[in-house]
Formats: sequence, C-alpha cells, structure tokens
Amino acid sequence: EDQVTQSPEALRLQEGESSSLNCSYTVSGLRGLFWYRQDPGKGPEFLFTLYSAGEEKEKERLKATLTKKESFLHITAPKPEDSATYLCAVRGPSGNTPLVFGKGTRLSVIA
Amino acid sequence: NAGVTQTPKFRILKIGQSMTLQCAQDMNHNYMYWYRQDPGMGLKLIYYSVGAGITDKGEVPNGYNVSRSTTEDFPLRLELAAPSQTSVYFCASSSGPRDYGYTFGSGTRLTVV
Repeated sequence: EDQVTQSPEALRLQEGESSSLNCSYTVSGLRGLFWYRQDPGKGPEFLFTLYSAGEEKEKERLKATLTKKESFLHITAPKPEDSATYLCAVRGPSGNTPLVFGKGTRLSVIA
Repeated sequence: NAGVTQTPKFRILKIGQSMTLQCAQDMNHNYMYWYRQDPGMGLKLIYYSVGAGITDKGEVPNGYNVSRSTTEDFPLRLELAAPSQTSVYFCASSSGPRDYGYTFGSGTRLTVV
C-alpha cells in the first residue's frame, strides 16, 4: 500500500527564516510526486510535480527536491503570505492510479 | 474559465437524510475525483472516474455513490447521512493519468447532526 508521511505536522517560522518540509514515501514504482499548497477554506493548489530522483523544481521562494525515498520543500526567506498547509502526494505505477496524499504540514510565517 | 465548480459550499444534514454534492468542470478533463478531508487526516479518496460512464471506488467509498453521465459532471450522492460523514468534500479533475496535477474545487463543508 502506498504511503506518504509528512513532517513536521506544524512549523512556525519568523519572516526570512529559511527551512524545509519533508515528505517520505513508500510506493512501488513512483510515477510522480506532487506538492500542493492549501489555504484555509480553499481547495489545494498545484505547485510542483517531480518524477525522478535528483530532479528539482523552483517557484519563487519554494524549491522542491526528490530522492528515492523522500522529497523536500525548501522555503527560502519566507514571507507571511507563504503561510498555508503544504500537501505532498504520490502516484504509483498504474497509469490510472489516483494520488495518495499525506496529512500535510501547516506552515505559519510570522512578521 | 471557471475550472472546477462545487455546490453547495456549506450544508447541514440531519441523520438519515440524503443529498447530492455537485461537481462540474469546464476544462474537458477525462479524470475526476472525490476526496474528503477531515482535520489532521489529509485527503482520502472516495470515488474516481476515468471518463464518462466509468467509475471506481477509492479508499473510503462506503455510504457514497457516484455517477458520470457526462464529461463535465461528477455528482457525489450521500444516502442515509451519518455523523461520520461530517467532513469537507473536494472534487478534482485532471487531463490524464500522467499530467501536471489535479485542479481542485473550493470544497463543500458538510455537517451531519
């Protein structure tokens, strides 16, 4: 069974204090690791897809990286508007397999 | 471009009542999904569809039913509502199995009392 574990559950940062969120996964034949951002009262918003170990993607202050066992979402010099819950999801080897989501990391950035 | 539209946004049901959560997308996506999100529990897949007329169960299908008569619409039916179905429900769509990620609706917050 595909599993996704995110840590920490919650993270509180000062504005400008860089950090990383972790997503550990167990899936036979990874066919994509996805990062989403979710603001309170809204649906998740797609950020990145990573397909193979060593791949990196960047968007503004966010950079996602992937190894064979985990992914990191690095947040550089965060701002209060980066506060949100960040969700990680994986897709297994079957082409039609829906995404399996982790429980998320709730990030708060304090000015 | 509306994306994925869910209605209603909020609903309170009494135990034993039934209702349909509506989901419509205007992106001509073949794949559609229903997830529920409970506090601290992440997103759990209820049902999904890979095209009109084709549906399949997800991780937590009990107490729910779906149909997919058109590409655009994917309603979720709750029969005999129970307090355990109190949750936030999200509909999502994608253009294919290997694509750029799901587009989610804004959710329906359902309370069963």
